[in-house]
Amino acid sequence: EVQLVESGGGLVKPGGSLRLSCAASGFTFSIYSMNWVRQAPGKGLEWVSSISGRSSFIYYADSVKDRFTISRDNDKKSLYLQMNSLRAEDTAVYFCARGPSGASRPLFLDFWGLGTLVTVSS
Amino acid sequence: QSALTQPPSASGSPGQSVTISCTGTNSDVGDYNYVSWYQQHPGKAPQVMIYEVTKRPSGVPDRFSGSKSGNTASLTVSGLQAEDEADYYCSSYAGSNNLIFGGGTKLTVL
Repeated sequence: EVQLVESGGGLVKPGGSLRLSCAASGFTFSIYSMNWVRQAPGKGLEWVSSISGRSSFIYYADSVKDRFTISRDNDKKSLYLQMNSLRAEDTAVYFCARGPSGASRPLFLDFWGLGTLVTVSS
Repeated sequence: QSALTQPPSASGSPGQSVTISCTGTNSDVGDYNYVSWYQQHPGKAPQVMIYEVTKRPSGVPDRFSGSKSGNTASLTVSGLQAEDEADYYCSSYAGSNNLIFGGGTKLTVL
């Protein structure tokens, strides 16, 4: 059974940093692209970033470019999101989501975790 | 890229069919066959219902179907059931390595 479990969310002050993690199980992690998607309270979904299976292709939404860094450790079957220079508008539930196997671009997301809440507030 | 346009709400009675639209541009929905639809119950993770416009993952009831015409994609739910009440989001590959979502549609089963 595919499972994605996010962790690392919490309360952080504007300008601060946070690192999210996503532990994957139930599938061959290294061959799948992975993504972060966020959902602000009461709002819709927003794609944040994607990374291909071997980390060869990495992409970001304009809203987080130069502030967030996505990475993965295939040996640990884990996905990460380093978030720096956080703003109030980054407040959201952050979901880890699996993309298609072998994909280099963010095309669709076939399994999602339950998410972790990030709150940016003074 | 701007978000895709969805109606904020839709409704139908049990057993009826309902169609939710998702309008983009010729740079996203109209240019790529990578439209997908996600169902999200309150407090839960989204679940893919349709991908690549018309494909249904295993385990998704065949009451759910997808289509596309020009810059508008559609999700049709036939034989509405109470458990179909949820928020539905469309998404599309938008070129330049971007994935965009619609604003979401709240489906109510009357």
